[in-house]
Order: sequence, then structure tokens, then C-alpha cells
Amino acid sequence: EDQVTQSPEALRLQEGESSSLNCSYTVSGLRGLFWYRQDPGKGPEFLFTLYSAGEEKEKERLKATLTKKESFLHITAPKPEDSATYLCAVPDAGGTSYGKLTFGQGTILTVHP
Amino acid sequence: NAGVTQTPKFRVLKTGQSMTLLCAQDMNHEYMYWYRQDPGMGLRLIHYSVGEGTTAKGEVPDGYNVSRLKKQNFLLGLESAAPSQTSVYFCASSQTGNEQFFGPGTRLTVL
Repeated sequence: EDQVTQSPEALRLQEGESSSLNCSYTVSGLRGLFWYRQDPGKGPEFLFTLYSAGEEKEKERLKATLTKKESFLHITAPKPEDSATYLCAVPDAGGTSYGKLTFGQGTILTVHP
Repeated sequence: NAGVTQTPKFRVLKTGQSMTLLCAQDMNHEYMYWYRQDPGMGLRLIHYSVGEGTTAKGEVPDGYNVSRLKKQNFLLGLESAAPSQTSVYFCASSQTGNEQFFGPGTRLTVL
């Protein structure tokens, strides 16, 4: 069974204090790893897709990286508006996944001014 | 473009009542999904559709039915609501099955 584990569960940062969120997965034949951002009371919003070990994607203060067993979401000099829950997800292994995703439980990020 | 919209935003049901949640997307996407999100459980896939007229079971399909009569709409039905179905329900759509666009959610309480 595919497993996706995110750590830490919650992270509190001061504005400007860089840090990283972790997403580890146990799935054979990884066919992509997705990062989403979810604001309170809203649906998740797509951030990144990573397909192969060593790949990196950047968007503003966020950078996602991928290894064979885990992905990191690095947040550089965060601002209060980066506060949200960050979710990672992987597609089902084997055959055609049809976009069936297994989500981690998320990391709640709070950035204090 | 409105993207993905969900109706209603909130609903309170009594045990045993039935209801239908409507999801609509205006991006001409082939794939559509229904998820539920519960504290400590994360997002879990209920049912999905890979095209008009098709539906398939996800991870937690029991107690739910779906229909996709039109490409832009995906309906989620609860025939006899139970307190265990209290949750936030999200609909999503995708053209490729990769990047998924989510709706704003429906918060359902079953008493």
C-alpha cells in the first residue's frame, strides 16, 4: 500500500526564518510527486509536480526537490502570507493511475511577523 | 472562468436523509474527482470519473454514489446519511490526471 508521510505536522517560523518541510513516500515506480497549498476554508491549490530524483522546481520563495525516497519543500525568507497547510501527494502505482492520488496529512505552516 | 464550483457550501442533515452535492467545471477537463477531508485522515478519494458517462470507486466509496451525465458536472449522492459522513467534501478536475484543480469545498454535518 502506498504511504505518504509528511513532517513536521506543524511548523512555526518567524518572518524571514528559512526552513524545510518533508514528504517521504513508499511507492514502487514513482510516477510523480505533487505539492499543494491549502488555505483555511479553501480547496488545495496546485504548486509543483516533480517526476525524477534530482529534479527541482521553484516558485517565489518556495523550492521543491525530489530524491528517490522523499521530497522537500524549502521555504526561503518566508512571509506571513506563506502561512497555510502544505500537502504532498503521489499517484497510485501500477497500470494507469487516472490521477488517483494518495495525499499526506499535511504540514501546517505558520509564519509570524 | 469560474474554474471548479461546488454547491452547496454548507449543509446540515439528519441521519437517514439523502442529498446530492453538485460539482461543475468550465475547463473542459476529462477527469473529475470527489474527495473527503477529515482531521487526522487527510484527503481521501471517494469516487472519480475519467470521462462523461464513466465512474469508478476510489479509496472510500461506501455510502456514496456518483454520476457524470455531462462532462462538466460530477454529482455525489448520499442515499442515507450517517454521522460518519460528517466531513468537508472537495471536488477536483484535471485534464491529464496530474495537476488537479479543486473546488472550494462543501462542509457537511450529519446529526
